[in-house]
Amino acid sequence: QVQLQQSGAELAKPGSSVKISCKASGYTFTSYDISWIKQTTGQGLEYIGYINTGSGGTYYNEKFKGKATLTVDKSSSTAFMQLSSLTPEDTAVYYCAGGMVPDVMDAWGQGASVTVSS
Amino acid sequence: DIQMTQSPSVLSASVGDRVTLSCKASQNINKNLDWYQQKLGEAPKLLIYFTNNLQTGIPSRFSGSGSGTDYTLTISSLQPEDVATYFCFQYNSGWTFGGGTKLELK
Repeated sequence: QVQLQQSGAELAKPGSSVKISCKASGYTFTSYDISWIKQTTGQGLEYIGYINTGSGGTYYNEKFKGKATLTVDKSSSTAFMQLSSLTPEDTAVYYCAGGMVPDVMDAWGQGASVTVSS
Repeated sequence: DIQMTQSPSVLSASVGDRVTLSCKASQNINKNLDWYQQKLGEAPKLLIYFTNNLQTGIPSRFSGSGSGTDYTLTISSLQPEDVATYFCFQYNSGWTFGGGTKLELK
């Protein structure tokens, strides 16, 4: 079955960057677009953007342009999201999610917690 | 930006009740809406896509409807395992989640 396995929790300093991974298994990697979603207690769920795993094309929510960078490594069936210039407002759980179309996310990773604190 | 408003924010209901959750968009979203269920400590799970299409493996007591700006998720007979927070998600223009409805047992 389709599985998305995310990397572990991150503790980062303000101004630094983190890179979260999302390893796919159980299906042909390039048949699913991978989306990334941010969840905080205060702001709820926010859609960051998605990557077409076949072409590498990326599509971002305006709010996250310049904050998030999405990439893939097809050889390892892994998607990545780098978050840069971290601030405490980036503290959240970040999910990767996959679907044959990006807007219908039928498989989700378990979430990766990012805490930004000095 | 399209805003998605869910109501109520908290809903208490009894096992067996018919439950209706509402999601209202700030403009017409042409049925480009999904519903997700999130149980405590878990990732969200797709229930309904494109307004009224039941995802494979989801019980038939879940259904979706709507058009224009107004959308509804209905649970025909509430079960204890349905306790969760439910989110709508629009992708007609950009992408926006609703704030969620927390469903509790009475």
